[in-house]
Amino acid sequence: NAGVTQTPKFQVLKTGQSMTLQCAQDMNHNSMYWYRQDPGMGLRLIYYSASEGTTDKGEVPNGYNVSRLNKREFSLRLESAAPSQTSVYFCASSEWDSYNEQFFGPGTRLTVL
Amino acid sequence: AQSVAQPEDQVNVAEGNPLTVKCTYSVSGNPYLFWYVQYPNRGLQFLLKYITGDNLVKGSYGFEAEFNKSQTSFHLKKPSALVSDSALYFCAVRDSLSAGNNRKLIWGLGTSLAVNP
Repeated sequence: NAGVTQTPKFQVLKTGQSMTLQCAQDMNHNSMYWYRQDPGMGLRLIYYSASEGTTDKGEVPNGYNVSRLNKREFSLRLESAAPSQTSVYFCASSEWDSYNEQFFGPGTRLTVL
Repeated sequence: AQSVAQPEDQVNVAEGNPLTVKCTYSVSGNPYLFWYVQYPNRGLQFLLKYITGDNLVKGSYGFEAEFNKSQTSFHLKKPSALVSDSALYFCAVRDSLSAGNNRKLIWGLGTSLAVNP
């Protein structure tokens, strides 16, 4: 099992460009999450999907959109990237909401110039 | 409101000595508590959790944590530290009474553990 996979691993964007971060899990988990990690700020939840077909805003959703394409895949889109979105982005999944432990992907390091 | 605090940004310990990484929390109901570890340039990995039952929880890599309801703490411990334990450690909490959109984990800011040879 690959667990949680994320693509790309690294990305550099110019201000105003758009991109989609891809995430997939092969553990048949119901819930999936997108976090960003910034120095001194820990992990902040951007969006989550409690189950296939549902998505909800987290702590810092502005500037992002998500799509739960199917049970396996949960993508994060930046429509118009800003330097404030420079961060490391992690996707995670869990069997069912946050009662269960979350499994994390390796992360995407995004720089917006 | 739910909250979690990791009062130490960094903990330094000599290899072979016991280590403790502190976590305190605030919730309205009963807490669900978690510890995760992050090695450099990697995603987070689950170490252990407390949902109910015994206050002493054993997890991966020889780590354990003690739930103390009166002190609202869930400190992570290991009897003998290894250099390879050097990493960033995160505590997280969820309130058992939370429902719907509030069923999210609240994360601490992390504690950097350095184990010196």
